[in-house]
Amino acid sequence: GAVVSQHPSWVICKSGTSVKIECRSLDFQATTMFWYRQFPKQSLMLMATSNEGSKATYEQGVEKDKFLINHASLTLSTLTVTSAHPEDSSFYICSARPLGDRGMYQETQYFGPGTRLLVL
Amino acid sequence: DAKTTQPPSMDCAEGRAANLPCNHSTISGNEYVYWYRQIHSQGPQYIIHGLKNNETNEMASLIITEDRKSSTLILPHATLRDTAVYYCIVRVNNNDMRFGAGTRLTVKP
Repeated sequence: GAVVSQHPSWVICKSGTSVKIECRSLDFQATTMFWYRQFPKQSLMLMATSNEGSKATYEQGVEKDKFLINHASLTLSTLTVTSAHPEDSSFYICSARPLGDRGMYQETQYFGPGTRLLVL
Repeated sequence: DAKTTQPPSMDCAEGRAANLPCNHSTISGNEYVYWYRQIHSQGPQYIIHGLKNNETNEMASLIITEDRKSSTLILPHATLRDTAVYYCIVRVNNNDMRFGAGTRLTVKP
């Protein structure tokens, strides 16, 4: 249990294009999902918190118009990097917090495998 | 949320116990201690968490001092596949997870 998937696992795009990354909780429902970014040799940095059916909450310094987050269902959140530039190249990781008791820790976040984005 | 301090790196011999320390001297009474690990180029993996009692699961043991100002993650028989960055995180329930620099554990044959 507690499997989170991300799609795609890696993507290469041209500068100026938009890229959508999907995050799915496969065997549980999650009212809250989180998006992180990780640059090489650095730790994970929280970008935003995504709540199902409401607007995402962005961390200071993260442009909400550039990183569009949609959490339309209890199992899916998407991150769209709009007008991507080379400096947006990074490892993007999502996590989800379970809703309800299914033998999983409700207070624990479970992470996806990450999406590596390279903007040329 | 309280901040944590971990050594930047540690080595451990394969088959031996790996003991990873974490200081969280400013922890408050309702904050849990969580441990995650990140193997190269993968998403973080949940290991264990606790509030004040010691905890054990199939992956590891978590020892929390009585004053809760520090904890130790124990991998009883480290294998080469345990080589990863280990993160100790302290937070109040339902807050987001914020990662520090972690400890890079290298298990050597």
